Amino acid sequence: DIQMTQSPSTLSASVGDRVTITCRASESMSTWLAWYQQKPGKAPKVLIYKASSLENGVPSRFSGSGSGTEFTLTISSLQPDDFATYYCQQYNSSPLTFGGGTKVEI
Amino acid sequence: QLQLQESGPGLVRPSETLSLTCTVSGGTISRSSYYWGWIRQPPGKGPEWIGTLYYAGSTYFNPSLKSRVTMSVDTSMNQFSLRLSSVTAADTAVYYCARVVSGWLYYFDDWGQGILVTVSS
Repeated sequence: DIQMTQSPSTLSASVGDRVTITCRASESMSTWLAWYQQKPGKAPKVLIYKASSLENGVPSRFSGSGSGTEFTLTISSLQPDDFATYYCQQYNSSPLTFGGGTKVEI
Repeated sequence: QLQLQESGPGLVRPSETLSLTCTVSGGTISRSSYYWGWIRQPPGKGPEWIGTLYYAGSTYFNPSLKSRVTMSVDTSMNQFSLRLSSVTAADTAVYYCARVVSGWLYYFDDWGQGILVTVSS
């Protein structure tokens, strides 16, 4: 199984900050990676797929990069609506696996 | 606008079988490019993929759960289902159904709201 490790687990930031979250894979996986945002009591919502492609309707302040084993999600200017938990998910091989999450808090 | 809705009991006794149904509206479950998945999320933890199915019958499971999981589809009702046998407290989680586009080995682009299932006597 490909293990996905996210860092940090918690991130304290302010509105307007540039925020970067890292996801590391236990083995190389090209760019088969998605990023999700999850708010309390809600289902995850996909933001980025194929490491850097923005899902329809997602604000352009979200961006993704990376390949192989290291990936990043960047929020260029944090907005009040962005305080949430973020997860990465690999779909390079079965079983599909998710990271442990990064909580972005005020 | 595609909508997915999970339904089923919120409480299951240990050693029994968990059964959930996902009803799809706003789209057909038998569209050729769509696959349908189940994901669960224990309280305070990251999501865990359970399995994915195709309307024609193909199924793909997480090896860690494969021996206990059954998934099926009812195209006439636009529904698909999950059965997880011999449950324990470790199976307590929010269970989500979701859509996968472009193949089973992919990401989930539409999710249901989730249903909390507690395993307890």
